[in-house]
Amino acid sequence: AQTVTQSQPEMSVQEAETVTLSCTYDTSESNYYLFWYKQPPSRQMILVIRQEAYKQQNATENRFSVNFQKAAKSFSLKISDSQLGDTAMYFCALTTSGTYKYIFGTGTRLKVLA
Amino acid sequence: NAGVTQTPKFQVLKTGQSMTLQCAQDMNHNSMYWYRQDPGMGLRLIYYSASEGTTDKGEVPNGYNVSRLNKREFSLRLESAAPSQTSVYFCASSEGGASNEKLFFGSGTQLSVL
Repeated sequence: AQTVTQSQPEMSVQEAETVTLSCTYDTSESNYYLFWYKQPPSRQMILVIRQEAYKQQNATENRFSVNFQKAAKSFSLKISDSQLGDTAMYFCALTTSGTYKYIFGTGTRLKVLA
Repeated sequence: NAGVTQTPKFQVLKTGQSMTLQCAQDMNHNSMYWYRQDPGMGLRLIYYSASEGTTDKGEVPNGYNVSRLNKREFSLRLESAAPSQTSVYFCASSEGGASNEKLFFGSGTQLSVL
């Protein structure tokens, strides 16, 4: 069975600082994808960043980057230069090639403080 | 360029009433999903449809039924609503097995069962 664990229910960071959100996962598949989704108060789910397991290079999207540790099954999200608009719930998710099922963690609520 | 459209956005039901949540996508995606989001529980998969003509149970299927009406539409039915089904429901879609696999979400339905 596939699992995704986010052990930090809530975090806060000062504006312009850097914060890292943790995610661990478990799968027996070799071909899989990992994601971070953001859910602001508007409730809309927004894709932040995506990582393919077969790629060793960590994905980056502007101020967002990941630390993908395949052997440790760890997939953390780093937000640099935090902005007030980054305040949201962040979900880590996993899907494996061929299963079509996306499994989500329980989320981390991030608050950026002015 | 609507993406994933789900209706209604809000609904209040009495215990025992039935209703259908509608979802349609205009991206020619193969796979469609229904999730529920509850505080502290993340997003849990109710049902999914890997391709037109197929449906499968997710983590929490009890009390729900689905219909993949065609490639575009995937509905979720509550036959006899219970207070435990009070939740936010999300429909989502993906290409299903594509190399750039990712999940696109609708804007959610806030359902309250009294």
